[in-house]
Amino acid sequence: AQSVTQLDSHVSVSEGTPVLLRCNYSSSYSPSLFWYVQHPNKGLQLLLKYTSAATLVKGINGFEAEFKKSETSFHLTKPSAHMSDAAEYFCVVSKSGGGADGLTFGKGTHLIIQP
Amino acid sequence: NAGVTQTPKFRVLKTGQSMTLLCAQDMNHEYMYWYRQDPGMGLRLIHYSVGEGTTAKGEVPDGYNVSRLKKQNFLLGLESAAPSQTSVYFCASSSLGSGGNTQYFGPGTRLTVL
Repeated sequence: AQSVTQLDSHVSVSEGTPVLLRCNYSSSYSPSLFWYVQHPNKGLQLLLKYTSAATLVKGINGFEAEFKKSETSFHLTKPSAHMSDAAEYFCVVSKSGGGADGLTFGKGTHLIIQP
Repeated sequence: NAGVTQTPKFRVLKTGQSMTLLCAQDMNHEYMYWYRQDPGMGLRLIHYSVGEGTTAKGEVPDGYNVSRLKKQNFLLGLESAAPSQTSVYFCASSSLGSGGNTQYFGPGTRLTVL
């Protein structure tokens, strides 16, 4: 069984400052991990994914995440926040190898960008 | 490519009514999924399909039925809607061995049951 815990339900940062969204996971398998973003009243867009290649994963819009097996973490970061980053972010875990039984979602972190 | 599309975008039902949500994908994906999203709950898997003519239950299947008669379409049915089924429904699809089951999502259907 796998699970995902997003440690903060809300994160507020000022525009131009760094962003850190925290995610811990548990999995009985070698996991694949994802971050998705959801802007208000929109569908989900894939930001980045980890599938057992490089532990530092770069995604779209300047986001990146580091897989740390010893800490079972997959935190999302961005050096400088932009107003357009305001959205809901989901950390997601899947069995590696393309398991068909869906993804397990965290409950989401609402990112607020202060001007 | 349109990707994953969902019909309708919005719907209001009365308790006990039935409806079908349609999901279509043009990426030739084998796998398709239905999720529901509720505030503070993330997304939860309702049903999924690994190919034409096959379906399986997810985490929260009660009160829903699905069918996958064509590879590109995945239908979600509510036979007798209940207020607890008020939610936003997302369809997703992915391909076989796509490097950790990367799923592509539709824009969602907002359903209100009165």
